[in-house]
Amino acid sequence: DQQVKQNSPSLSVQEGRISILNCDYTNSMFDYFLWYKKYPAEGPTFLISISSIKDKNEDGRFTVFLNKSAKHLSLHIVPSQPGDSAVYFCAASSLGGSEKLVFGKGTKLTVNP
Amino acid sequence: EAGVTQFPSHSVIEKGQTVTLRCDPISGHDNLYWYRRVMGKEIKFLLHFVKESKQDESGMPNNRFLAERTGGTYSTLKVQPAELEDSGVYFCASSQRQGLGSPLHFGNGTRLTVT
Repeated sequence: DQQVKQNSPSLSVQEGRISILNCDYTNSMFDYFLWYKKYPAEGPTFLISISSIKDKNEDGRFTVFLNKSAKHLSLHIVPSQPGDSAVYFCAASSLGGSEKLVFGKGTKLTVNP
Repeated sequence: EAGVTQFPSHSVIEKGQTVTLRCDPISGHDNLYWYRRVMGKEIKFLLHFVKESKQDESGMPNNRFLAERTGGTYSTLKVQPAELEDSGVYFCASSQRQGLGSPLHFGNGTRLTVT
């Protein structure tokens, strides 16, 4: 029973364009959401987060949008760069912070020069 | 600042053997977590230490897994005896405090292969 779903295993975009990664969740108790980026043979690296009391959080080229009614969040990367090529994991917690994160399976983003 | 370090990076053992994974968190981080990613599946929570105490071990799959954090510094995760389904990548993570604004910092993981 997957509580966090990333339905697109992969995404390919051109350099300079927008990358949109999507994530759906089923547990209405989740109150904190995070995106992690992972390069091969490395651990996940924190990218950006959003609390359930907000619907948008922005950090440089990265913006996360949260639609609580649809139980959906998305990560926008603008403009996309080849160095953004990695696996992106959506994660959620019902404890208000990063404790006991529930991860999605990840989406592999490829940014083509 | 040194990151979270895990040792070994790879381990190949036979079914029935014992393996011990080690994690050194970032200095000063009281919270230490173990996660596991089995091939093709999502990263799953195993347990959470606050200093030397187990805050939450609800993700531990069975009693073949034993985690310790003596002295509240480094942690070990022992699998005894190992089974084929234990193969995967074991990640350790640490954070300075709980709650908002304190994201997890992950190590590079230990890839365990049980043959």
